[in-house]
Parts: sequence; C-alpha cells; structure tokens
Amino acid sequence: SQQGEEDPQALSIQEGENATMNCSYKTSINNLQWYRQNSGRGLVHLILIRSNEREKHSGRLRVTLDTSKKSSSLLITASRAADTASYFCATALNQAGTALIFGKGTTLSVSS
Amino acid sequence: DADVTQTPRNRITKTGKRIMLECSQTKGHDRMYWYRQDPGLGLRLIYYSFDVKDINKGEISDGYSVSRQAQAKFSLSLESAIPNQTALYFCATGTGAQETQYFGPGTRLLVL
Repeated sequence: SQQGEEDPQALSIQEGENATMNCSYKTSINNLQWYRQNSGRGLVHLILIRSNEREKHSGRLRVTLDTSKKSSSLLITASRAADTASYFCATALNQAGTALIFGKGTTLSVSS
Repeated sequence: DADVTQTPRNRITKTGKRIMLECSQTKGHDRMYWYRQDPGLGLRLIYYSFDVKDINKGEISDGYSVSRQAQAKFSLSLESAIPNQTALYFCATGTGAQETQYFGPGTRLLVL
C-alpha cells in the first residue's frame, strides 16, 4: 500500500447509519489528519490526531489511531445526507521539512 | 471574504500556451502549497513553499513552475500546457509543514 491509503474506495449507506472508513500507511508518522471534500470544492480539515494519541472526538466524528498497525479509522455516527462527500486521510511523516501526503480518498454517499 | 482565494476559477487553454494560476491568502500563514487532483488519484503535491525565500518541488513538479511573490501570494505556472495537465488545481496554506492545511476553492483547468 502507498502512504495513506483509504479503504473502502466507495461507501453507500442510509441516513442514520454509521459510516466507517479506514486509512493505512507505511512510514512512521508525526500526525494523521482527515479532510472532507464536497464535490469539486476545496478540502476542509476535520480532525488531527497525533502519533501519541489513540482516539479523538469531534461532534459526530470519532478518529482512532493504531500506530502498531499503522492504521486509522474515521467513524461518522448517525450519518446525514449532508455528509455525502469524499474523505481523505493525510499523513505527516516523522521527518522535518516534509509536507502532508494525501490518500486517494473514500467517497461516501448517504441516501435519505 | 474567503481566507484562501484562487484565480481564475475556471480556465480553458490550448496546448502549448503558458498560463498562470494565482493564489492569495489572508490567513497570515508562511506555508503555501499547490496540488492537482485527478479523478481516482487523490491530491498530488506539485510545489510547496515554507516562506518567501523557500521553494520546494513536490511529487509532480515537471512542467510546472511557481513564484512566491509575497507571504500572501503563491502563483503556479504551466510553461507550455499539455492535455494531461487538465485537472483541478488547489492552493493551500498552513502554519507548519505538518499541521492543518486550509484549501482554496480550486481552479478547474482544461487544456485542449
């Protein structure tokens, strides 16, 4: 897998259900971030989790990080149609002077 | 007003033409980035700048050049546009190389 690879590529659920998407990476990281992109628009930062953290919450979002497995998950609880978007993980490597590396994204479709 | 603006928002050009995409920010961030997004490929880093005197190549810099005219302005040029440079281009800013990034609305470029 490449650095920052989301799974699944696409996810379709009904309103009210939970949505879980995963991100795996290869190289040691400083932090991992999740971004959201509505169709054709700029990415919006959702949450940042540092390598010494295991779980963070923000509203209906819960992010976990397992550095031993080099993986992270983003859980959106009680999904709404407005959550329909693409979600990207971005990894910050444990190397000074490097920029974020974005994955290819998970496309979430929430139907009402 | 938006914190990160990009001009133009849409551009159609012909093969061989030189074009410039501009990015301005009012966030006061030192770090600025240019990405391109292609369907199914996620975001790929073209160039990034950690301050006015610092320019770094990203993953896919060939065929592109940049200019950091001021802290607030970062321009991307396509020296001689080719059809496979047709993509959605995003500018982003950040406070640190590994911290949250703030994205502009994107420029949709079509090279005929």
